[in-house]
Amino acid sequence: DTEVTQTPKHLVMGMTNKKSLKCEQHMGHRAMYWYKQKAKKPPELMFVYSYEKLSINESVPSRFSPECPNSSLLNLHLHALQPEDSALYLCASSQVSGIDRQYFGPGTRLTVL
Amino acid sequence: QKEVEQDPGPLSVPEGAIVSLNCTYSNSAFQYFMWYRQYSRKGPELLMYTYSSGNKEDGRFTAQVDKSSKYISLFIRDSQPSDSATYLCASSDGSNYKLTFGKGTLLTVNP
Repeated sequence: DTEVTQTPKHLVMGMTNKKSLKCEQHMGHRAMYWYKQKAKKPPELMFVYSYEKLSINESVPSRFSPECPNSSLLNLHLHALQPEDSALYLCASSQVSGIDRQYFGPGTRLTVL
Repeated sequence: QKEVEQDPGPLSVPEGAIVSLNCTYSNSAFQYFMWYRQYSRKGPELLMYTYSSGNKEDGRFTAQVDKSSKYISLFIRDSQPSDSATYLCASSDGSNYKLTFGKGTLLTVNP
């Protein structure tokens, strides 16, 4: 089973709201990722967690705050977003090594009003 | 020059055709090559994963890597309307968790 689940599927929020995106995998993977994907563009890496520690932060604005509570869960906390942050937010996971296959979840479609 | 170049298409073929999707890359350190399929408004699905040069076959799909020319290909035999999607190539040097994606090619298979 190579399933990564994400909730919610859709989210609409105002610029003053605080919301969270959730991701879960039960494949025993120790690396988890957040990507942002705009329409007709490839995914852009935002954050990587390895063994529940933040390994890569691709200079993402602080209004995006990741959290990895345990090896199966990954959250992305959102606060004071801008309309240009509207996108598909994808979670992925892999075994710990950088050479391992990354498996993506279905994504959360975020709209910021 | 982007590290991975991919013609965004769109590419339209009749059902049953052989489809050839291609990428080129510039980073000689890339050793791991992937093809993802992404349906509209869904997450990317890993189709093929290859290491270094050579061919890999899985059902109707064949991935080919030619490191000498830095060329990556995905062939789809007997294409079906259900193959209609965006196909993303991706590459990695294996030293970290970063994948470098091409722009994606939008494929439509017409019944």
